[in-house]
Amino acid sequence: DAGITQSPRHKVTETGTPVTLRCHQTENHRYMYWYRQDPGHGLRLIHYSYGVKDTDKGEVSDGYSVSRSKTEDFLLTLESATSSQTSVYFCAIKGDGDTEAFFGQGTRLTVV
Amino acid sequence: AQSVTQLDSQVPVFEEAPVELRCNYSSSVSVYLFWYVQYPNQGLQLLLKYLSGSTLVESINGFEAEFNKSQTSFHLRKPSVHISDTAEYFCAVILGTDKLIFGTGTRLQVFP
Repeated sequence: DAGITQSPRHKVTETGTPVTLRCHQTENHRYMYWYRQDPGHGLRLIHYSYGVKDTDKGEVSDGYSVSRSKTEDFLLTLESATSSQTSVYFCAIKGDGDTEAFFGQGTRLTVV
Repeated sequence: AQSVTQLDSQVPVFEEAPVELRCNYSSSVSVYLFWYVQYPNQGLQLLLKYLSGSTLVESINGFEAEFNKSQTSFHLRKPSVHISDTAEYFCAVILGTDKLIFGTGTRLQVFP
C-alpha cells in the first residue's frame, strides 16, 4: 500500500467550530488532493497541491482552506464547520509524471 | 461544465451476467481517462487507465474499457461478473496541471 495516512479517521464536531484534517505521505509525491464523498455526488475535488506552498481550488472549495508547508503533509481546514460539511473526506497523492493516484482510507466527519 | 458523466447511479446484475458501466467525457478535456473502484469502507484504487495507444485497455481482474473518441465515451465492461465485483466504480479524467476529476459514481450490485 502507498504510504498515505489520514487523521483523524472519525470526528464529530459542533457547528461553528474549526476542524483540521491531516494527510501525511511517505512517498515524496508532488501532488496531493482533498476530496469529499457524498451520496449522489461521487468524489468532488476541494483543493489540491502541486508542490510545497503551491495549492489551487477545486470544484467545491468554499468554506475550506488548505496548507502545505512541507512535502509530506497536506492539511484541510474547515474554519467554521457547518452541517453541510458532514461528509467522508479522502486524501490522494500522485507522483510527478505518474498518472495513478493513491488514496487514503478516508475521514468520516460529522458536524452536529 | 461537467467533465465526466456517469449515466447510471446503480446497476444491478446477476452473477455471471455481462455488465457495462457507462462514462462520457467532455470533448474539451485531455484524454487521460481512468476507472477507479471503491470496495465498501475503503479508499479508491485504480482499475484501469487510458493514456494513448490502443483504445482497448484491460485490468487484471477481467474488466476492460474502450476509448471512443467519436462518441467521447470510456465505458467499462466485464463479460461475466462475480459477487466480489460488488463495489462503486468511478470514471475520472485529468485536467490541466494534474487536476484529477471524478464522475458521480456507479454502484454495481451483483446478486447470486
